[in-house]
Amino acid sequence: SQELEQSPQSLIVQEGKNLTINCTSSKTLYGLYWYKQKYGEGLIFLMMLQKGGEEKSHEKITAKLDEKKQQSSLHITASQPSHAGIYLCGADYGWDDKIIFGKGTRLHILP
Amino acid sequence: NAGVMQNPRHLVRRRGQEARLRCSPMKGHSHVYWYRQLPEEGLKFMVYLQKENIIDESGMPKERFSAEFPKEGPSILRIQQVVRGDSAAYFCASSPEGGNQPQHFGDGTRLSIL
Repeated sequence: SQELEQSPQSLIVQEGKNLTINCTSSKTLYGLYWYKQKYGEGLIFLMMLQKGGEEKSHEKITAKLDEKKQQSSLHITASQPSHAGIYLCGADYGWDDKIIFGKGTRLHILP
Repeated sequence: NAGVMQNPRHLVRRRGQEARLRCSPMKGHSHVYWYRQLPEEGLKFMVYLQKENIIDESGMPKERFSAEFPKEGPSILRIQQVVRGDSAAYFCASSPEGGNQPQHFGDGTRLSIL
């Protein structure tokens, strides 16, 4: 089974609406990364969370790591067309330096 | 201030040929990672290198694939005798020394096998 599950797999949202993407780990996380990938392009680093209960914001995007460090949510407020893309969460389990990625959430913004 | 540079962006090879993918890390970064993204699948870790050393190659196929990060020059991911199943996007990431540092990704090389 997948170590890192993202939901939903895809999301269609009207411009201006809020939305949330979830990432759940089957194991305790050492760290959790959020990246955004535009179709056919590379990954853009958004945020890194390490402490249980930690919350970080960047412009209209907020991400939180729960106290048990097994789940993270990414919230976008007042979505814009520029938010469209694939959002990937990545797990750092602490015993090595590789990132284990979820399958991503495809976000479409309707004008 | 250049980010992670990968070239070529697109590479087409015939079955049986060799593919060489290059990655120059961000300035000041000494750790390089390669990932592969197959169609409709997530990013999968392949290999982690520091200058002249392979640290973790647990995600690399046992045959035909190799990686290096020489003292001078870019990191190279080499695929010998390519097969159709090697068609994918290959991403390189880099990070600086020290723990808890985020990895920054290049734009990838899209490999197509005819």
